[in-house]
Amino acid sequence: QVQLVESGGGVVQPGRSLRLSCAASGFTLSSYGVHWVRQAPGKGLEWVAVISYDRSNKYYAASVKGRFTISRDTSKNTLYLQMNSLKSDDTAVYFCAKQPSVDYVPDFFDLWGRGTLVSVSS
Amino acid sequence: DIQMTQSLSTLSASVGDRVSITCRASQSVSSWLAWYQQKPGKAPKLLIYKASTLETGVPSRFSGSGSGTEFTLTISSLQPDDFATYYCQQYNSYPLTFGGGTKVEIK
Repeated sequence: QVQLVESGGGVVQPGRSLRLSCAASGFTLSSYGVHWVRQAPGKGLEWVAVISYDRSNKYYAASVKGRFTISRDTSKNTLYLQMNSLKSDDTAVYFCAKQPSVDYVPDFFDLWGRGTLVSVSS
Repeated sequence: DIQMTQSLSTLSASVGDRVSITCRASQSVSSWLAWYQQKPGKAPKLLIYKASTLETGVPSRFSGSGSGTEFTLTISSLQPDDFATYYCQQYNSYPLTFGGGTKVEIK
């Protein structure tokens, strides 16, 4: 079954760190560009970051640049998002999503995970 | 950054109605536009890409049109399963951006 499953969310204090994971099954994650997209409670969708199929290219939203790092482990078929210096504004459901193309060129999302909730609160 | 605007945040309609949802880009995105459907507590689902191409498995009552800066998602005959929130997304350039969403609710 082709799917993405996120994990690692939880409650964390402002200024602390958290690492999210996104495990792929039914396909090889390293064959596609993959992204993180987030959604604050009751709000719309916000793109966060992308990593190319070969990990050579990464792009970040301005709101997370310098604090978040996207990476992937080919052997585990898993995508990660390392989140440092967390702020209350980072509170959201974080989705991983794949694009249909292999490269890092801007694209749409044809497969989404169910999301994992990150709550930043003291 | 390219701003995507969905002018209606909520749209009330009845089963069987023809519904149109509009999305406007702050600059041309050519045809690099996608539409998603999201239900509460669920991940978004791809409906349309390249402005008018129907994703495999999506009912033919959904259609997309437009290019440049003006786009429309049309549901030809609204079904009970279609009550949800719809988002447009441009993929002309980074950062990728979404419209604010249009919630289709029961009238």
